[in-house]
Amino acid sequence: NAGVTQTPKFQVLKTGQSMTLQCAQDMNHNSMYWYRQDPGMGLRLIYYSASEGTTDKGEVPNGYNVSRLNKREFSLRLESAAPSQTSVYFCASSGRDSGYGYTFGSGTRLTVV
Amino acid sequence: GENVEQHPSTLSVQEGDSAVIKCTYSDSASNYFPWYKQELGKGPQLIIDIRSNVGEKKDQRIAVTLNKTAKHFSLHITETQPEDSAVYFCAASRSSNDYKLSFGAGTTVTVRA
Repeated sequence: NAGVTQTPKFQVLKTGQSMTLQCAQDMNHNSMYWYRQDPGMGLRLIYYSASEGTTDKGEVPNGYNVSRLNKREFSLRLESAAPSQTSVYFCASSGRDSGYGYTFGSGTRLTVV
Repeated sequence: GENVEQHPSTLSVQEGDSAVIKCTYSDSASNYFPWYKQELGKGPQLIIDIRSNVGEKKDQRIAVTLNKTAKHFSLHITETQPEDSAVYFCAASRSSNDYKLSFGAGTTVTVRA
């Protein structure tokens, strides 16, 4: 099993550009999450989807939108990128079979110039 | 919301010695406490977790303890090896909140040969 797959792995954007980060899981998990990781700040929740068809804001949702396309896929969109969104983005999923422990993807390193 | 504090931020230990990382949480309703290990360039990986109905859990060289009264939990790594060098994150969540994890800021552990 691949687990959680994120694309792309690296991206450089100019201020004001838009892009979508893709995430897919093959573990049949109900819940999916997007976190950002910044030095000295741990991982902060951007948005999450507790089940297919639902999405909710996390701790730092401003400047982002999400779509739970189906049970497998959960995308994160930056409509107008800002330098403050330079970060490493992680997608994760969890389900009852994993005891609700998260499985993380390998991350997307985004730089906004 | 939940606030998780983690100490120390960096920890250097001699190979073979023990390492201890401590975390405190603010939400008395939190009932799930996982620990993640993140190696350079990779996503965090679950290494051990504990639920509020258990005071201690062991898995080979790692153990986690939980003190619900004091609202703190700790990770203990014994007989450290060079491959234990990584960033470690603690986290907390509660089942009534969709198991959304709140993370500590992380501890960079370096094992000296």
